[in-house]
Amino acid sequence: ETGVTQSPTHLIKTRGQQVTLRCSSQSGHNTVSWYQQALGQGPQFIFQYYREEENGRGNFPPRFSGLQFPNYSSELNVNALELDDSALYLCASSIQRTSGRYEQFFGPGTRLTVL
Amino acid sequence: AQSVTQLDSQVPVFEEAPVELRCNYSSSVSVYLFWYVQYPNQGLQLLLKYLSGSTLVKGINGFEAEFNKSQTSFHLRKPSVHISDTAEYFCAVSEGRGSTLGRLYFGRGTQLTVWP
Repeated sequence: ETGVTQSPTHLIKTRGQQVTLRCSSQSGHNTVSWYQQALGQGPQFIFQYYREEENGRGNFPPRFSGLQFPNYSSELNVNALELDDSALYLCASSIQRTSGRYEQFFGPGTRLTVL
Repeated sequence: AQSVTQLDSQVPVFEEAPVELRCNYSSSVSVYLFWYVQYPNQGLQLLLKYLSGSTLVKGINGFEAEFNKSQTSFHLRKPSVHISDTAEYFCAVSEGRGSTLGRLYFGRGTQLTVWP
């Protein structure tokens, strides 16, 4: 149990639609990252939010956007869905302890299918 | 940019045999290294991580990995595997960025299949 939850677990959409995926992190985890894992591939970094501001972005188009909220929850929004957006979307939250060490935890993911 | 190479896409092995899953990375700066396991239709579970200190890292389920800076490698080992170890394994690298952990760069994964 990582303390990171994602909803929904599965989702089916059609091309052109919009989707919002949600992630709830542990209290105090001020950094959240989103990853896309296509079938048979390793996860690819979409973007990261730190204290509610975007803190880095991978090679994804602007139709992928996100938000981070003060209650340690976050959203991934994808507009104009394409077939290639079908993937497992993973949320990861992290925190730096007073020792200086980082801890990061992944959620179970949301499986998005675009038809 | 960093990159991670997992040299074997599939590793079949018999139960109770030893196994090594290989991982090499490219980076010009100090990095943090991770191994994750993913069971079918599930998310990622952290097996172990190297942040600093001893280069031999012990993780869960009897796995260990050794950080070799000169060879830029972080190979995962287990002396005796079980059928329940059958899963996809991902090596990942990251840089610390001050108060945040930077993005993770993942390899393509190694499917470990343990046969009875």
